[in-house]
Amino acid sequence: DAKTTQPNSMESNEEEPVHLPCNHSTISGTDYIHWYRQLPSQGPEYVIHGLTSNVNNRMASLAIAEDRKSSTLILHRATLRDAAVYYCILTNYGGSQGNLIFGKGTKLSVKP
Amino acid sequence: SQTIHQWPATLVQPVGSPLSLECTVEGTSNPNLYWYRQAAGRGLQLLFYSVGIGQISSEVPQNLSASRPQDRQFILSSKKLLLSDSGFYLCAWSAGRDNQPQHFGDGTRLSIL
Repeated sequence: DAKTTQPNSMESNEEEPVHLPCNHSTISGTDYIHWYRQLPSQGPEYVIHGLTSNVNNRMASLAIAEDRKSSTLILHRATLRDAAVYYCILTNYGGSQGNLIFGKGTKLSVKP
Repeated sequence: SQTIHQWPATLVQPVGSPLSLECTVEGTSNPNLYWYRQAAGRGLQLLFYSVGIGQISSEVPQNLSASRPQDRQFILSSKKLLLSDSGFYLCAWSAGRDNQPQHFGDGTRLSIL
């Protein structure tokens, strides 16, 4: 699986936007970009995913660079509940298998 | 909407004792099901996945086994637990199509004494 690189940690103020970067310079043409987050003592939570076009859902937006070698998860207004470790993961598997390889992710702290 | 249930939330077991963790999914049919383990301070490790009843694939050789007796039920078992089996066990499901996201349960924190 192609690897991703994320900053170890980031800080944000409550109610401000947060841009979480992810580099994936070795991404292949069929790799999807997935974002998950994990709060302490909880299972990972799916946030968003995309292939080439930018994506929006109720939780966040995903901006994908034109060359697909990087992407940015955007939280439009950070809340204290958004404090978590955010993982950027590339997937390229068929419906029969899905090994999500979680790296170290970015630990997001949100200050009130 | 779909929900995933995993229990128990915490479990303390002596070395050599058996294990049975259960996971059920509601609101979907024929999901792919997964068992992961997360050791303290480390990433998730895929243990087993299943694409249908009775169909189990093992990713890591160990003293654990998995079974899928019903479409939306996934069970993780062991006959004799080892100290190294301690960890955070997570069940997940996904739709059976390419590159669909996985949805995780709340996990079971297993401590072996």
